[in-house]
Amino acid sequence: GQSLEQPSEVTAVEGAIVQINCTYQTSGFYGLSWYQQHDGGAPTFLSYNALDGLEETGRFSSFLSRSDSYGYLLLQELQMKDSASYFCAVYGGATNKLIFGTGTLLAVQP
Amino acid sequence: DAGITQSPRHKVTETGTPVTLRCHQTENHRYMYWYRQDPGHGLRLIHYSYGVKDTDKGEVSDGYSVSRSKTEDFLLTLESATSSQTSVYFCAISESSGQGDGYTFGSGTRLTVV
Repeated sequence: GQSLEQPSEVTAVEGAIVQINCTYQTSGFYGLSWYQQHDGGAPTFLSYNALDGLEETGRFSSFLSRSDSYGYLLLQELQMKDSASYFCAVYGGATNKLIFGTGTLLAVQP
Repeated sequence: DAGITQSPRHKVTETGTPVTLRCHQTENHRYMYWYRQDPGHGLRLIHYSYGVKDTDKGEVSDGYSVSRSKTEDFLLTLESATSSQTSVYFCAISESSGQGDGYTFGSGTRLTVV
């Protein structure tokens, strides 16, 4: 079947670096996406990795290793506003549509 | 700048009643999706559409139906609401079938079935 695993919670301090890991199991893998969701808000698209390696967008970077079925989201220079849930997602399942992990709640402390 | 809006934002309904949620987009995107979000489950796909009158089931489609008579509108109907359908419902749109451009989500509808 298809599944994604990510930690349920991560805590870090303002200004620090945090890494949120995601391991996946799916058929027909096309790439790994990351979404951010603030409490009570809509999920918003952060990044997409189709190929192995690191993609950088400002303070956020995303990494993929297809051979290890593993990826991570790296957040640098953490700010209080980064406190949110972060979801990894892959194409998969019977519908071959976007399937989401259960999310990682990031708490940034002063 | 809301290219996608959901209505209503909140709704309380009684068990056994039909409920329709609406998703409206102004982006002219071909693909539209309905997800539900519950604690511990993340986002789960209910139904999706790949064009006018073209829809298909997602992972958790039992008890739900959809319709898309116009490009801009995608309706989700709970035929006979049950307490297990209490959830936050998100509509999403995408320009392509791939995930590279990302999905754009609406602000959600919080549905409570009592």
